[in-house]
Amino acid sequence: NAGVTQTPKFQVLKTGQSMTLQCAQDMNHEYMSWYRQDPGMGLRLIHYSVGAGITDQGEVPNGYNVSRSTTEDFPLRLLSAAPSQTSVYFCASSPLAGGPVTQYFGPGTRLLVL
Amino acid sequence: AQTVTQSQPEMSVQEAETVTLSCTYDTSESDYYLFWYKQPPSRQMILVIRQEAYKQQNATENRFSVNFQKAAKSFSLKISDSQLGDAAMYFCAYNSGTYKYIFGTGTRLKVLA
Repeated sequence: NAGVTQTPKFQVLKTGQSMTLQCAQDMNHEYMSWYRQDPGMGLRLIHYSVGAGITDQGEVPNGYNVSRSTTEDFPLRLLSAAPSQTSVYFCASSPLAGGPVTQYFGPGTRLLVL
Repeated sequence: AQTVTQSQPEMSVQEAETVTLSCTYDTSESDYYLFWYKQPPSRQMILVIRQEAYKQQNATENRFSVNFQKAAKSFSLKISDSQLGDAAMYFCAYNSGTYKYIFGTGTRLKVLA
């Protein structure tokens, strides 16, 4: 049971490049989400999903796309990277039953956009 | 809109002593959930403790306990017998039973030997 995995761990991009941050979980959780963590700002929700084929926007969705074709995977796409997207990105998952329970977080992806 | 405020950017505590981290929140909901997460230097987010608003009893987990004051919208974390391994960023988080979690800006805890 690997929990929540994220790849890559670290990435450097040039402004305008695109890339996909991968997130996978093996706990059969319905809920998955993406956060960005910036100094002094805590974690902010980018997008979330409550099941395959269902996604919705969080607090800071601009510049990011997501899709959920399977229960296990929830990739985050940056279509045209900007320096303002330099951040640490966390993926999290949790079951939906029983109300908000603990979210299981991945180890994070550190992204630097030059 | 709901907000979560952690007014202490940094705190220090002597090993074996007790420290309290503050968290206040703003909501018009009556039912909600509050969390404290720990983020050590490894960056891994770890749930410390969880409190349901409808429960009057304060949650406890070993050396960690909360002081939940619903009327004051306050949710502080008390760490007793502080250990070096408690040094980390601590985040307070709120969820109203929907799919959106709101995090505070964090408090960095230093534990002095």
